[in-house]
Amino acid sequence: AQSVTQLGSHVSVSEGALVLLRCNYSSSVPPYLFWYVQYPNQGLQLLLKYTSAATLVKGINGFEAEFKKSETSFHLTKPSAHMSDAAEYFCAVSERGKLIFGQGTELSVKP
Amino acid sequence: GAVVSQHPSRVICKSGTSVKIECRSLDFQATTMFWYRQFPKQSLMLMATSNEGSKATYEQGVEKDKFLINHASLTLSTLTVTSAHPEDSSFYICSAHRGQYEQYFGPGTRLTVT
Repeated sequence: AQSVTQLGSHVSVSEGALVLLRCNYSSSVPPYLFWYVQYPNQGLQLLLKYTSAATLVKGINGFEAEFKKSETSFHLTKPSAHMSDAAEYFCAVSERGKLIFGQGTELSVKP
Repeated sequence: GAVVSQHPSRVICKSGTSVKIECRSLDFQATTMFWYRQFPKQSLMLMATSNEGSKATYEQGVEKDKFLINHASLTLSTLTVTSAHPEDSSFYICSAHRGQYEQYFGPGTRLTVT
């Protein structure tokens, strides 16, 4: 069975600082990986996805993630945090069409 | 494109009553939809996979007689929480499968059972 682990349930950065949210996966087959963002009391919005094409994936709102097979990682980054980036972020892996989610990382952005 | 709606966004019901939540894909057809449950400060837990024209597939531990799922058309799936109890209070989110890999999520429904 596939799984994802998000390191750090809460990350706090200053506005303008680098955002790094960590995700490691476990999969016996080439994975399809996703990052979603959730704002309070809302559904999930797809930020970006990796589907075995380019290893560096660019998403919406300035986010990007790099698939590293050797490290089984798919970390999410953004060069400069904005206050509006404060939200919950979920990494997920697709298994036979189902999404398996990580535990989530809450991102706080300090002014 | 790829908009999914849910109705209602919030519902409060009394213990013992049933509540129906609708999930619609507004601008695409979805043969497969998914229902998730999310507890406060936690991740999403997949409850079931809803397939148009056939029975839903429930995840282990989810009571299919309590959480009735109907996928009557390519744009609508419904989740009915039967004989609701306070422990059923939660945030319910649906998603619709589109393309090969992607799921698009609804805005969620906050259910409170008193």
